[in-house]
Amino acid sequence: GAVVSQHPSWVICKSGTSVKIECRSLDFQATTMFWYRQFPKQSLMLMATSNEGSKATYEQGVEKDKFLINHASLTLSTLTVTSAHPEDSSFYICSGLAGSGSYNEQFFGPGTRLTVL
Amino acid sequence: AQSVTQLGSHVSVSEGALVLLRCNYSSSVPPYLFWYVQYPNQGLQLLLKYTSAATLVKGINGFEAEFKKSETSFHLTKPSAHMSDAAEYFCAVRDRRDDKIIFGKGTRLHILP
Repeated sequence: GAVVSQHPSWVICKSGTSVKIECRSLDFQATTMFWYRQFPKQSLMLMATSNEGSKATYEQGVEKDKFLINHASLTLSTLTVTSAHPEDSSFYICSGLAGSGSYNEQFFGPGTRLTVL
Repeated sequence: AQSVTQLGSHVSVSEGALVLLRCNYSSSVPPYLFWYVQYPNQGLQLLLKYTSAATLVKGINGFEAEFKKSETSFHLTKPSAHMSDAAEYFCAVRDRRDDKIIFGKGTRLHILP
């Protein structure tokens, strides 16, 4: 299957700072990428849909000014957590959409563990 | 709105025993259904998916699932559990009209020696 990478795999930052997480599709072009967050022992919650060359679409309750998403190329989407606070500590997972129509499939990255002190 | 319900947040089976993880879905239109596995501190790996072809879907690592429309179920099974199957399993549904995937709450599978 297609491969998606994330960088960094883990990050620790101080409260009030901003953190950028990269999501790359390594062997396919992803016009659409998705960002999820997962709290400990919980399911994945979709945060936003990122489309190359356009603004991201955020799910209800997700602050777009806090979670900045940029999808500048067909292989790279970034999520920036601005002015991070301890409650933003979570596991962030991205996915890239490969294929088209009913045959498309999301391929997931390995995740980024964010800890805000 | 679409949703999936996974019965049992934790399931324990003995090594070599049958694995059965339950999932029921709710959807107003025929959905696509998925099972994913997640190992600790890792992303998700697709086990199998149902896209309206055969109702019995075979996946990787010996897992399979059967789509039962009358029961709105998509339970995951494996005839003989292996220690390496210990992980978190997520059932998920996707609307055919868009690409968003909705995940269940997950079931932690424990394998007893």
